Amino acid sequence: GAGVSQSPSNKVTEKGKDVELRCDPISGHTALYWYRQSLGQGLEFLIYFQGNSAPDKSGLPSDRFSAERTGGSVSTLTIQRTQQEDSAVYLCASSLREAADTQYFGPGTRLTVL
Amino acid sequence: GQQLNQSPQSMFIQEGEDVSMNCTSSSIFNTWLWYKQDPGEGPVLLIALYKAGELTSNGRLTAQFGITRKDSFLNISASIPSDVGIYFCARRGGAQKLVFGQGTRLTINP
Repeated sequence: GAGVSQSPSNKVTEKGKDVELRCDPISGHTALYWYRQSLGQGLEFLIYFQGNSAPDKSGLPSDRFSAERTGGSVSTLTIQRTQQEDSAVYLCASSLREAADTQYFGPGTRLTVL
Repeated sequence: GQQLNQSPQSMFIQEGEDVSMNCTSSSIFNTWLWYKQDPGEGPVLLIALYKAGELTSNGRLTAQFGITRKDSFLNISASIPSDVGIYFCARRGGAQKLVFGQGTRLTINP
């Protein structure tokens, strides 16, 4: 079966522009997570969706970051007015249920802000 | 106290050598997870540990949950080229999210 897919795989943008990153989780997985991985760093939690519950946004670094999950499936992470420090790999993961240790990660979107 | 400290940050070894890396924290946790990230890919779960003192193997990989519940180590025996990558320890940060260490980058010299 298909794993978690993300698009685009690479995104280069100019400072100040908005970007949208997409995640297609594994079919049937109710939990979806976004993480950010800066160069040479570990993964930093951004936001979590579980079913129809309100998302846990506690990891979003600023109000320029937002995410939505439509129909309990596809998720979009939006970064407004991008800054150079936003450059990183953005990873999406899904799991069959909440609080699952086995999170299945997508390949990530590498964002470069010039 | 919530951070995970991994060491070493990087390793350069010869094929066939054994590898050992560890992860420590000043806080007690009930779960330790080890993930591996191949270049250009997302992390993949290798081993999950749930009990202090637990020793778990997955092929050539062995991981242990420290007795103090503040540390864990991962060993790889007889390394092969496909072991190259970044190894992360992780723990539960609340009910949902995972908190990751900074990673240990493993390079195998031909």
